[in-house]
Amino acid sequence: QVQLVQSGAEVKKPGASVKVSCKASGYTLTTHHLHWVRQAPGQGPEWMGMINPSTETTTYAQKFQGRVAVARDTSASTVHLELSSLRSEDTAIYYCARQANSGWFSFDYWGQGTLVTVS
Amino acid sequence: QSALTQPRSLSESPGQSVTISCTGTASDVGRYNYVSWYQQHPGDVPKLMIYDVSSRPSGVPDRFSGSKSGNTASLTISGLQSEDEADYYCFSYAGNGGLFGTGTKVTVL
Repeated sequence: QVQLVQSGAEVKKPGASVKVSCKASGYTLTTHHLHWVRQAPGQGPEWMGMINPSTETTTYAQKFQGRVAVARDTSASTVHLELSSLRSEDTAIYYCARQANSGWFSFDYWGQGTLVTVS
Repeated sequence: QSALTQPRSLSESPGQSVTISCTGTASDVGRYNYVSWYQQHPGDVPKLMIYDVSSRPSGVPDRFSGSKSGNTASLTISGLQSEDEADYYCFSYAGNGGLFGTGTKVTVL
């Protein structure tokens, strides 16, 4: 069965960087785009960016341009999100989500989430 | 780009219907038929309920339906059940990325 398993919670100081990983199993990583979504406490989700693991092409939300990077390691079936210049407003749960077979930019499987606290 | 606009909360009795609106612009909801809807229970991960405006993934009850008119998409839940009490978020492709809605808390009275 399809699973996305993310790395554990992180606590970072303002100005630091964080790297969150998302390991895919139950399917071939290169067959589906992989997205990153974050959700601040008590807020709605926010789309951050995506990668086509087959071509390594990335697209990022304008808000995060310049301080976000998504990369893939096909040998480990893992996608990484790195967010730099962290500030308190970046405190959130970060999710990876697989783009569905059917439905452009819809997300059928989600990771369990990684809490990133900036303090 | 601003989040898509949803009503903050809706309440209805079991067995009744509720419709959640999701208003965007001609650059997102109005331009593309790539609107999806997610259900999120407290402390849980979002779950895909509708994709491509009105298609239902396998396993989602047919009580859930989606539609779109102009810049506004809608999710209708018919025959409300207690387990439908949750937060609901719309999401739209916007050409160079995507936007979530502000979220609607549905309460089953």
